[in-house]
Amino acid sequence: EVQLVESGGGLIQPGGSLRLSCAASGFTVSSNYMSWVRQAPGKGLEWVSVIYSGGSTYYADSVKGRFTISRDNSKNTLYLQMNSLRAEDTAVYYCARERDSNGAAYFDYWGQGTLVTVSS
Amino acid sequence: SYELTQPPSVSVSPGQTARITCSGDALPKKYAYWYQQKSGQAPVLVIYEDSKRPSGIPERFSGSSSGTMATLTISGAQVEDEADYYCYSTDSSGNHRVFGTGTKVTVL
Repeated sequence: EVQLVESGGGLIQPGGSLRLSCAASGFTVSSNYMSWVRQAPGKGLEWVSVIYSGGSTYYADSVKGRFTISRDNSKNTLYLQMNSLRAEDTAVYYCARERDSNGAAYFDYWGQGTLVTVSS
Repeated sequence: SYELTQPPSVSVSPGQTARITCSGDALPKKYAYWYQQKSGQAPVLVIYEDSKRPSGIPERFSGSSSGTMATLTISGAQVEDEADYYCYSTDSSGNHRVFGTGTKVTVL
């Protein structure tokens, strides 16, 4: 059974750093495309970042240069290092597995999400 | 950056048809996907590759795409279909994922 469990969220001051983790089971993280998606309170879904199975990474403009996506193959875990956090980064952060779709990809499994609150 | 535009809300009576549109410049070349999200829950895929329905999704959900617009149709909407719906696709490079602005569907 595929499972994704996020952790690492919490309250952090503006300008601070936080690392989110997403522990996967039932599949191999390094063999899949994996993304982070966030949702601010009362707002819509926003894609944040993706890491491809080959290791390439891409970011939304809103987080580029501040966030870093990575994975630990030995732990089968996905990470999101978030630096220089701003109030507008406050959101529930989901990790999601991507499934190949005729040359495209979509999210087929999601974690339960972890809340990050950036506030002084 | 690339955007997908949806109407903020759609209201329909039970048993009627709800249609949600999603507009994006890359849609002629990129598939559209649709996610349903109920309050406090993770999104659930209801349509993939413009018009395909995952197993377990009721037949009343259908999708289509033409030119720069994709459409999700709920035929015979049920009260349990009340949720936020998001279209999803990628930009022309295929590397940046994008969600639509979201549509709140009310069935009453």
